[in-house]
Parts: sequence; structure tokens; C-alpha cells
Amino acid sequence: DGGITQSPKYLFRKEGQNVTLSCEQNLNHDAMYWYRQDPGQGLRLIYYSQIVNDFQKGDIAEGYSVSREKKESFPLTVTSAQKNPTAFYLCASSIQGMSSYEQYFGPGTRLTVT
Amino acid sequence: AQSVTQPDIHITVSEGASLELRCNYSYGATPYLFWYVQSPGQGLQLLLKYFSGDTLVQGIKGFEAEFKRSQSSFNLRKPSVHWSDAAEYFCAGGVLTGGGNKLTFGTGTQLKVEL
Repeated sequence: DGGITQSPKYLFRKEGQNVTLSCEQNLNHDAMYWYRQDPGQGLRLIYYSQIVNDFQKGDIAEGYSVSREKKESFPLTVTSAQKNPTAFYLCASSIQGMSSYEQYFGPGTRLTVT
Repeated sequence: AQSVTQPDIHITVSEGASLELRCNYSYGATPYLFWYVQSPGQGLQLLLKYFSGDTLVQGIKGFEAEFKRSQSSFNLRKPSVHWSDAAEYFCAGGVLTGGGNKLTFGTGTQLKVEL
């Protein structure tokens, strides 16, 4: 079955440590996205990538970094510079272009930093 | 600035009653519009989408939405709610630009269904 995989589902880290969240898709989608979800704030875009080896900052990129070395993979690193990293993180993907605009989402990773 | 607004944070309906969740948008051009549903601790599932054409769109699970340009709205409806519809619902919009298919999400409406 095609879909988006995020691992792990729950992640715990100590303050000051960098942590990398995994996102893999086998939908053959060109574009991938990372969102952060906090209660009452909806989804906020962190980074997105339209093509391999290229990515752009979203609305809240500070304290985060990404890479896109393969079409299937778009890992997100939460660095120690992110002031409030505890949140639910969602990865999504879509086909580029007007024919299929919708984004498909993974199951999410809940990160807790103490 | 482009925005999507969901005025209702929480809505409670009785099972079997009709449902309408509100969504208003603010875009310079006609946006693409979506409704997603999220169960607790899960990802988002697409319910339906509007690109162009018919202003009444049908989705999965018996949901429909109507695009009203004059009111800048894209409200989600269901004639008879089931207990399993309890979840959080997100409206999202976007315009296709050279910067890719970015979406702006509303803050969500939490639906509670009373048995």
C-alpha cells in the first residue's frame, strides 16, 4: 500500500539535544512538507520541498533544518535552537501541479522535550 | 494576507442531527479549498476538495461542502451525524504559485457527538 510513514510515533528528548524525525513516502510524490501542530493553532508550515536537493522555509523555520537527498525521504531535525520544540509534527506530500493539489499526511510524531 | 478562518472552536451535535462547520477564506484569487478530518493522535485525512466548477462538492463519509464566492465561504455539511464523526476538522486553502502547492490551514473545529 502506498502511503507516508513517520517514525517514531512518540519521541522523548532532553533539552539541548538535536533530534531527527523521519518521513518516508512511496507515493512517488515530488513535493513534501513538514508541519507543526499545537493545540488551538492548527497546522503551521515549517519547511517544504518541491524537488530533490531543494527546499524552502515555511512560516516557522527557525530552529529546524531539513534535507531532501532522495525523492522518498524528507527528514526534519529539531535543533537545540528551537525554543519550544514539544509538539505534534506532521509530514505530508503532494503531486506538483494543478491536477492534484491535495496533500496526503503521515500519522505524525509526537515530540516531547524536557 | 491569505488566510483561512474557522470561527467555531468547538461544536456539539446530537447523533442523527445535521451538521454544518464554517470556513471563511481571504485570498486575492479563487483558492483551492479542502476539508480534512483528524482523529486524536492521528494524521489528517482528506474529506473533499474544491478546485473549480460545481460549487457543491461531495466527499467521503457522506460529507459535502458548498463554495460561495459572494460570502468567501466553504462550509462543510452532513445531513445526519454519526458518533464516529467526532474528531477535529480543518479547512485549508491555497493558490498555485511558483512557490509550490502550499496550503494555509484554519485553526480547526472540534466536533463532539452526543449519543
